[in-house]
Amino acid sequence: RKEVEQDPGPFNVPEGATVAFNCTYSNSASQSFFWYRQDCRKEPKLLMSVYSSGNEDGRFTAQLNRASQYISLLIRDSKLSDSATYLCVVTRGSNFNKFYFGSGTKLNVKP
Amino acid sequence: DAGVIQSPRHEVTEMGQEVTLRCKPISGHNSLFWYRQTMMRGLELLIYFNNNVPIDDSGMPEDRFSAKMPNASFSTLKIQPSEPRDSAVYFCASSLGGYTFGSGTRLTVV
Repeated sequence: RKEVEQDPGPFNVPEGATVAFNCTYSNSASQSFFWYRQDCRKEPKLLMSVYSSGNEDGRFTAQLNRASQYISLLIRDSKLSDSATYLCVVTRGSNFNKFYFGSGTKLNVKP
Repeated sequence: DAGVIQSPRHEVTEMGQEVTLRCKPISGHNSLFWYRQTMMRGLELLIYFNNNVPIDDSGMPEDRFSAKMPNASFSTLKIQPSEPRDSAVYFCASSLGGYTFGSGTRLTVV
């Protein structure tokens, strides 16, 4: 079983829509959680960390459910520039440096 | 800060040839990671170093792959001999907590 699983999509939404992605992780010992964004033919870049209490950064809201072992990302008022692949990331154990990446969810925001 | 610097950006080589990918991490970052990304398998961790010492190379696919980090400012990933199935984007990342990725090397083995 993969460490991190995501729906590959694509999610095709109109501008202004609200879209949500989920991600599940297999190891209950996972400690830290992140969302990364990867544009086509570019490197992944940190979008936001995910905290137990949930956190918001502008139009982006991240939630963590430890009991069900899933992480979510909500994007409100989608922009064309939000089109990208969103990667879910977890770390676990004593080595917080080792990141486990999901395969990503592709988002296409249409005019 | 120049970020993580990888070279070359693109590499096209014939099957059987040796390929060397290079990475310069961000100064002060004590961990360095090599990843491979393909459509089929996503991002796969190949190997990572902490303070120039290889910590986990369990992701290295086979003996044809080797990686070195002779000092804190330089690492190489070598494939010898290369095969068409090695075609992928290879990313280097360095970390002092969060990851910063380089722009990647797009390798095509024909």
